[in-house]
Amino acid sequence: GESVGLHLPTLSVQEGDNSIINCAYSNSASDYFIWYKQESGKGPQFIIDIRSNMDKRQGQRVTVLLNKTVKHLSLQIAATQPGDSAVYFCAENPPRNQGGKLIFGQGTELSVKP
Amino acid sequence: AAGVIQSPRHLIKEKRETATLKCYPIPRHDTVYWYQQGPGQDPQFLISFYEKMQSDKGSIPDRFSAQQFSDYHSELNMSSLELGDSALYFCASSPTKGWGTEAFFGQGTRLTVV
Repeated sequence: GESVGLHLPTLSVQEGDNSIINCAYSNSASDYFIWYKQESGKGPQFIIDIRSNMDKRQGQRVTVLLNKTVKHLSLQIAATQPGDSAVYFCAENPPRNQGGKLIFGQGTELSVKP
Repeated sequence: AAGVIQSPRHLIKEKRETATLKCYPIPRHDTVYWYQQGPGQDPQFLISFYEKMQSDKGSIPDRFSAQQFSDYHSELNMSSLELGDSALYFCASSPTKGWGTEAFFGQGTRLTVV
């Protein structure tokens, strides 16, 4: 869907704390989801993905949780570091018969205080 | 490793002028996606190409057109530029008609219309 306004939700955490970033997606038929990290002036960078047949996936310091019942994704970052400061987007990939595009949700700006 | 190359990185144009943005995908990637990202907003899908054919179309204005060439690079042509066209324009490439860990975004072209 379209984003509104120019102000991203912001999450401010202390270095070393865990961060949880939430996202709602729109299409119940979407079968693939990705979390991206975007630093200022740069392109989105892949963090972790999850398919709809899973409800949890872990990577290095990151975990993605998928709740299909309420169309909700979350990204958990363990031991958050200053280098994690960025805007985080979730993205959903509808089934191929609905086109191959990736639909981005509203980003969350993560600010890590040293 | 080679990444997605976009040129130019920055572009300043006046209203009603035209602009051409270029995207060079990762070698052996046959799919290209174009996104527009306004200030503080999530990336919005514009158009995609697979094997040099348009595969999906999003919220791309009629003033814009795009194509993918025989070497798989893509160009986004923008005419009658408006102030509201000022944004970051990203392209992404993928080795298949879809998304996954091998799909990557470029660094973007920042277009400023004055």
